[in-house]
Amino acid sequence: QKEVEQDPGPLSVPEGAIVSLNCTYSNSAFQYFMWYRQYSRKGPELLMYTYSSGNKEDGRFTAQVDKSSKYISLFIRDSQPSDSATYLCAMMPYNTDKLIFGTGTRLQVFP
Amino acid sequence: EAQVTQNPRYLITVTGKKLTVTCSQNMNHEYMSWYRQDPGLGLRQIYYSMNVEVTDKGDVPEGYKVSRKEKRNFPLILESPSPNQTSLYFCASWSGTGYNEQFFGPGTRLTVL
Repeated sequence: QKEVEQDPGPLSVPEGAIVSLNCTYSNSAFQYFMWYRQYSRKGPELLMYTYSSGNKEDGRFTAQVDKSSKYISLFIRDSQPSDSATYLCAMMPYNTDKLIFGTGTRLQVFP
Repeated sequence: EAQVTQNPRYLITVTGKKLTVTCSQNMNHEYMSWYRQDPGLGLRQIYYSMNVEVTDKGDVPEGYKVSRKEKRNFPLILESPSPNQTSLYFCASWSGTGYNEQFFGPGTRLTVL
């Protein structure tokens, strides 16, 4: 079993839809939770970061962490074609430098 | 502009021919790392470095070497490339322990024939 599981998609939605992206994990030591966005032919770039449990909102993006269920989510409101990319969840245990990535979910938002 | 650069961006080579992929960052970061990205497997860490002359293995170090002689540079060396090292490679850098944003380079697509 992988430490971090992520549905690869692809996920195809119409412009304006609410998108939900999810990851599950098995390691209870994970304390830092991140979402990276990767456009085609580019390196990943950090989109959202959350420490421990709770929600975090940044514009159209909301990250949620439920440590009791070992489940994290990224919500995108009013999705735009420019949101079309691969979204990678990533997690790090406390007091280490090791970042564990999910396999990524490919999202396509069509006009 | 703060950035991580990698060269070359694309490389096609043959089995056994030594190659080096360079990585350089201009943010004075202590930490640097190499990842490979494969379909269905995501990003996996190859090696990382905590500072000059300090490196450690990641999850998939076999067949790779690294060196950190200067803070800004972290080259990835494939002494004898094999077809199973065909992949997309990313270099990343960040500033310290605990959580810090990792900045990724643009990637190097390597094909080993």
